[in-house]
Parts: sequence; C-alpha cells; structure tokens
Amino acid sequence: GENVEQHPSTLSVQEGDSAVIKCTYSDSASNYFPWYKQELGKRPQLIIDIRSNVGEKKDQRIAVTLNKTAKHFSLHITETQPEDSAVYFCAASMGGTGGGADGLTFGKGTHLIIQP
Amino acid sequence: NAGVTQTPKFQVLKTGQSMTLQCAQDMNHNSMYWYRQDPGMGLRLIYYSASEGTTDKGEVPNGYNVSRLNKREFSLRLESAAPSQTSVYFCASSPPPTVFYSNQPQHFGDGTRLSIL
Repeated sequence: GENVEQHPSTLSVQEGDSAVIKCTYSDSASNYFPWYKQELGKRPQLIIDIRSNVGEKKDQRIAVTLNKTAKHFSLHITETQPEDSAVYFCAASMGGTGGGADGLTFGKGTHLIIQP
Repeated sequence: NAGVTQTPKFQVLKTGQSMTLQCAQDMNHNSMYWYRQDPGMGLRLIYYSASEGTTDKGEVPNGYNVSRLNKREFSLRLESAAPSQTSVYFCASSPPPTVFYSNQPQHFGDGTRLSIL
C-alpha cells in the first residue's frame, strides 16, 4: 500500500517568516494530495489540495508544489502569523477501482510553532 | 447545514464491551470514511464506503465492522473493545467523483474520543 513520510515533525519559525513542510509518497499511482490543518482538540480542516496534473497551486499565503518524478510534495506558508500555529498533515490518494473514491494515507504530522 | 455529525463525542468502555459510533452527513455526499488518530501516528483509515451499498477495508480494519445504513449514515462498531482501540475516531465524507477526478475533498466531523479500560 501507499506510504507517506512527512518532515519535519516539529517546525518553529519567527512570525513573518516562511515555513516549508515536505512529504514523500511511495506509490506512483497516487494522484490527489491534500493538506490538512488541525488545531488542538479540533477536527482536521482542508487548507489546500493539488492533483497530479498540476505542479503548483496557490491560495493567498499558502502554496503547494508537486514533483511527480521525485514523488514529493511540499506546503509553503509565507508571512506566518500566530494563528498558523497548529499541526499540519499531508495525505495522498490514488482513487478507487472503477473511478470511485478511495481513502487517504496520511503523514504523521508537523507541529508548526509560530514564535512572536 | 451541520456537515458531518458524530455521536457520541466522548465514551469510556471496559475491555470486552461493544459499542457503535454513529456518523451522519447532510451534504448529499456519496463517499464516507472512518479514521482513527493516535498520538504521533497521524490518521489511519479503518474502513470506507465509496457509495451507498459498498464498504471496503482500509489500513487498520481488524477489530471493527461498519454499516452504510443509507446515503447519510455510516456507523463503526467495536464488537469486543480492547485497550489498543483507545483513540480518537473521525468520520469524513466527500462528494461524488467527477468525469475527470475520482477523489474529492474529504470533510471531517468533530471526532469521538474513546477510552477503553
């Protein structure tokens, strides 16, 4: 099955600086890569996603890049703010047989700490 | 709209007891999922239902059963709870596939925090 590795496990950055979280996946058939933000005691919330037919996607201060050849994708957060402090998870999915849905394989998460 | 609703929010069980976790979505989504989250492990897929009437095993299905009762509801059952099943359980749902994309964004419920003594 798919295996997703995520680094680093903890990332501390100064407010206003950029943060980068990296993930690698093992199965070249994976074609959908979402990123979730989870605050303590809360549900995971989708912040951005990218599909295998796109190399980069941006949404305001957040961007995701995908390198299919190397099988890795990254989350970039610019101009970090205190409210960006949370645990971030990457995930991968390849789609089910017959074109149906499939579950996500998650990385183990990155605890992002924004220092004031 | 409530989105994805999970009940109960908290539960404490004794080893060997049975329990059903309920999940309902009001977004007319086709697919539903059950994950467990343990400290330092991320989320792991237990079972999923790509559409009403179908269910499939995920990464960690042992010790669990599921029922897709109708399009809205997807329940998770622990027949004989074990301490290793102490975890936070999340239900999620996603819209139907499109012509171009089989996987759609998953929306999560608030979770059920389950402790087994």
